[in-house]
Amino acid sequence: DGGITQSPKYLFRKEGQNVTLSCEQNLNHDAMYWYRQDPGQGLRLIYYSQIVNDFQKGDIAEGYSVSREKKESFPLTVTSAQKNPTAFYLCASGQGARNEQFFGPGTRLTVL
Amino acid sequence: GQNIDQPTEMTATEGAIVQINCTYQTSGFNGLFWYQQHAGEAPTFLSYNVLDGLEEKGRFSSFLSRSKGYSYLLLKELQMKDSASYLCAVREPGSARQLTFGSGTQLTVLP
Repeated sequence: DGGITQSPKYLFRKEGQNVTLSCEQNLNHDAMYWYRQDPGQGLRLIYYSQIVNDFQKGDIAEGYSVSREKKESFPLTVTSAQKNPTAFYLCASGQGARNEQFFGPGTRLTVL
Repeated sequence: GQNIDQPTEMTATEGAIVQINCTYQTSGFNGLFWYQQHAGEAPTFLSYNVLDGLEEKGRFSSFLSRSKGYSYLLLKELQMKDSASYLCAVREPGSARQLTFGSGTQLTVLP
């Protein structure tokens, strides 16, 4: 089945540690996105990538980093510079004229 | 930039009809999406409008007026499983075609 996978579903880290969230898609989509969602809030764009080896900052990129070495993969690193990293992180991919975005199941990160 | 407004919460009764409004102020517009999101889960696509008018898909319909910067999602014959957050998202023009999301409307369907 085609889709987007994110792992793990729940992640706990100590303050000051970097952590990498994985996102893999087998939809053959060119574009991939990372969003952050806080309780009762909409989605805010962290980073996006339109093609391999290229990515751009979204609205809230500070404290995050990404890579796009393969079309299928777009991992997100939450660094110790991110002041409030506890949140629900969603990865998405999209393609085509409409660019409807398909979402992965999300990773809930809790920093203790 | 984009500014998107939706009501925070709505309540309706099973079997009824509910309309969720979305207004937007944007520097550009290239389409509007509605997504459904159950608690703790990923958003799932419901509808897409790029031209003025009504798009119908089963129990769900979505309307767009570009001149008014206004859209609504209409849910008919409400079911308990429709209790969820409904997100309005506007697509920006340009090659990246990013989506900007509203904060979502939490709909509670009561028996």
